[in-house]
Amino acid sequence: EDKVVQSPLSLVVHEGDTVTLNCSYEVTNFRSLLWYKQEKKAPTFLFMLTSSGIEKKSGRLSSILDKKELFSILNITATQTGDSAVYLCATYAGNMLTFGGGTRLMVKP
Amino acid sequence: DTEVTQTPKHLVMGMTNKKSLKCEQHMGHRAMYWYKQKAKKPPELMFVYSYEKLSINESVPSRFSPECPNSSLLNLHLHALQPEDSALYLCASSQFQQETQYFGPGTRLLVL
Repeated sequence: EDKVVQSPLSLVVHEGDTVTLNCSYEVTNFRSLLWYKQEKKAPTFLFMLTSSGIEKKSGRLSSILDKKELFSILNITATQTGDSAVYLCATYAGNMLTFGGGTRLMVKP
Repeated sequence: DTEVTQTPKHLVMGMTNKKSLKCEQHMGHRAMYWYKQKAKKPPELMFVYSYEKLSINESVPSRFSPECPNSSLLNLHLHALQPEDSALYLCASSQFQQETQYFGPGTRLLVL
């Protein structure tokens, strides 16, 4: 059975801190890994990673995939209170997107 | 435009009611999805439509009935639901299957 595991489950930091969120996976027919941010409702798309070792960056957020060790990390630098959310990692294997349990991030002022 | 819209935003229904959830996208995407999300859990896939044909049904009970009238619309018909079906129902779409999925804001459903 395909498995996507995120850690930590939750994290509390202060504004300005840097955080690293982890996602490990065991899936057959792996195709890509996606990161989403979910605040109150819809998950919003952050990154899609298909190649190992190539960092994707968007403002203060960056992510990288390691297909040999089967994990990805999402980094957020200089965190702000608006970064508070659940961050979901998901893998495409075959035609299905399998989500991890999410990391709940709270950024305190 | 990466917008997926869903109506209604909230829905309260009794166990004998029949209701429908609607999802719409105008991005020309050919794959559309229904997910169910319970509190503090990740989304769980229910159905996948590809080119307006049902391609994946994740063993969802028959009281949930999807319909794809055209390439922009996806409905989820609800009948004889149970209280445990209360959840956030998310619709998503992607250019094709295996591409990035964009989510709608969801319908929060409460079954009494």
